[in-house]
Amino acid sequence: DVKVTQSSRYLVKRTGEKVFLECVQDMDHENMFWYRQDPGLGLRLIYFSYDVKMKEKGDIPEGYSVSREKKERFSLILESASTNQTSMYLCASRWWGRDGYTFGSGTRLTVV
Amino acid sequence: AQKITQTQPGMFVQEKEAVTLDCTYDTSDPSYGLFWYKQPSSGEMIFLIYQGSYDQQNATEGRYSLNFQKARKSANLVISASQLGDSAMYFCALLPPGNQFYFGTGTSLTVIP
Repeated sequence: DVKVTQSSRYLVKRTGEKVFLECVQDMDHENMFWYRQDPGLGLRLIYFSYDVKMKEKGDIPEGYSVSREKKERFSLILESASTNQTSMYLCASRWWGRDGYTFGSGTRLTVV
Repeated sequence: AQKITQTQPGMFVQEKEAVTLDCTYDTSDPSYGLFWYKQPSSGEMIFLIYQGSYDQQNATEGRYSLNFQKARKSANLVISASQLGDSAMYFCALLPPGNQFYFGTGTSLTVIP
């Protein structure tokens, strides 16, 4: 089974801190994604990547950046964390074609 | 533009009864996929069922079935014989050609003993 691992389940950071959320997948998937999930808003795409060193903005990229130096790892970076970035962050990966996503278990980030 | 709508923020069902979770979508692409995911309180997203736009029959996976009505652009999830472990958030998702999924806002299902 494909496994997508997010490094932290719960994270508490202070306003203004630089925050790294790490995601690693073990099945050589080309495509990786970062979503944030908020009540009543569903999942919203922040960034995605379809290859090493490639990245594309999603629907809500403001305040975030990403890094994909290796195929298996996709990092989400909050350059200067703000309280409105308190959310659940979900990483996903997939192959091309008709396959669905495989999700990580999520990181609940609280910015105080 | 792609759009997916779940109009039921919360649903309740008696244990062992069937329940239908609604999902409508909007896309101009003739080829697309529709997915349902379950998210328990632990947070992980679990794939449940997939329906392709050209599939002739409705998809089924165990107690899950997808009532696909293409002309009405609806893809409702039917859970038969509900169990307490079915209590979770359920998300419908649309995959048009390309790489990006579009998710609904979710339905919170509570199964009552």
